[in-house]
Amino acid sequence: EAGVAQSPRYKIIEKRQSVAFWCNPISGHATLYWYQQILGQGPKLLIQFQNNGVVDDSQLPKDRFSAERLKGVDSTLKIQPAKLEDSAVYLCASRAGGTNYGYTFGSGTRLTVV
Amino acid sequence: QKEVEQDPGPLSVPEGAIVSLNCTYSNSAFQYFMWYRQYSRKGPELLMYTYSSGNKEDGRFTAQVDKSSKYISLFIRDSQPSDSATYLCAMIHSGNTGKLIFGQGTTLQVKP
Repeated sequence: EAGVAQSPRYKIIEKRQSVAFWCNPISGHATLYWYQQILGQGPKLLIQFQNNGVVDDSQLPKDRFSAERLKGVDSTLKIQPAKLEDSAVYLCASRAGGTNYGYTFGSGTRLTVV
Repeated sequence: QKEVEQDPGPLSVPEGAIVSLNCTYSNSAFQYFMWYRQYSRKGPELLMYTYSSGNKEDGRFTAQVDKSSKYISLFIRDSQPSDSATYLCAMIHSGNTGKLIFGQGTTLQVKP
């Protein structure tokens, strides 16, 4: 089974620029998550999709972050404009239905804002 | 107060040692408890999963959950250099949509 694919692996941008990350989940996984992991911290949920609908975006800074999951498969996460404190690893995860532990994480996109 | 507290370490042990990793939590609604291992520049991978209180063993790994004390542990026996990684505890509320709440992570180094 192919894993969760993310791109790009690394990105360096200047503050106030925009950036987008892409995630392709495991085939058939209805639930998709975006997590933010700041260096030295555990991942924090930004947004959760069930198919193409948003389930939880309570911790997404909506003034600068946006995400979509068209057709309930691939997803993109965008930051515009970026701030220095957005420097982090952005992890995408997907989960099959019926379990609370069947998460698979991608390797993440490491964002550096300078 | 964070919902989940985990000592960040770092923790350095010699090969063959028994390692104990711990997390405490504040919300009694947590019912599902997991330990993830994260190698450098990789995403977290599930190591152990426990529902409610009790112990679970898988090879060299044992997970314990004590809901009365709001305390969970991961024990690694006969630790190997390949166990060097960051270990994250994670929890899910009983009634929510599967949102993982992570601890800060403990960095472990096992020296040959």
